[in-house]
Amino acid sequence: DVKVTQSSRYLVKRTGEKVFLECVQDMDHENMFWYRQDPGLGLRLIYFSYDVKMKEKGDIPEGYSVSREKKERFSLILESASTNQTSMYLCASSYSGTRYAQYFGPGTRLTVT
Amino acid sequence: SQQGEEDPQALSIQEGENATMNCSYKTSINNLQWYRQNSGRGLVHLILIRSNEREKHSGRLRVTLDTSKKSSSLLITASRAADTASYFCATDEGSGGGSNYKLTFGKGTLLTVNP
Repeated sequence: DVKVTQSSRYLVKRTGEKVFLECVQDMDHENMFWYRQDPGLGLRLIYFSYDVKMKEKGDIPEGYSVSREKKERFSLILESASTNQTSMYLCASSYSGTRYAQYFGPGTRLTVT
Repeated sequence: SQQGEEDPQALSIQEGENATMNCSYKTSINNLQWYRQNSGRGLVHLILIRSNEREKHSGRLRVTLDTSKKSSSLLITASRAADTASYFCATDEGSGGGSNYKLTFGKGTLLTVNP
């Protein structure tokens, strides 16, 4: 079974803090993704990575950065958290190409106060 | 970027009934996928249909694709209370480069199956 794990299920941070969200997959997938999910807006892609050290901006990259130093691990960084980054963050991984399913982690509900 | 749009936004049915959800998209695609999300959890892949396929089955799920209308439907037969979840369609943009990797998700249909 594919397993995608996220470092926290719930996280509360203060405005201005640096926040790290980590995602680990155990299926040797080339692709990894970070999404945020907000009511009424659906899933929106923040960043994705198609190989180690490779990354591409998604639809809403502003205020975020990512790091992929190892194939199995993809980190999302909020350099200076703001209240409008309060959201559910979902990590996913897949083999290369859109003919493969994406496997999602359980999500991290981040609250920035 | 294009986005699949599901219809209806919410659907409430009785156990045993069939549930049909629709997805429309704007540009050509290579693949369309359907996912399920239980409340507060990650998404789970249900089924993938390729642009050269018209219909696909998996257990109680039936997916159709009409590329001329740029639409897809997901039918769940003999629904159960455990099918209560949000359902999302996801499309690719049908071209190479970076868009060959990513999917664009719709906003989802919330299905409630009453016991």
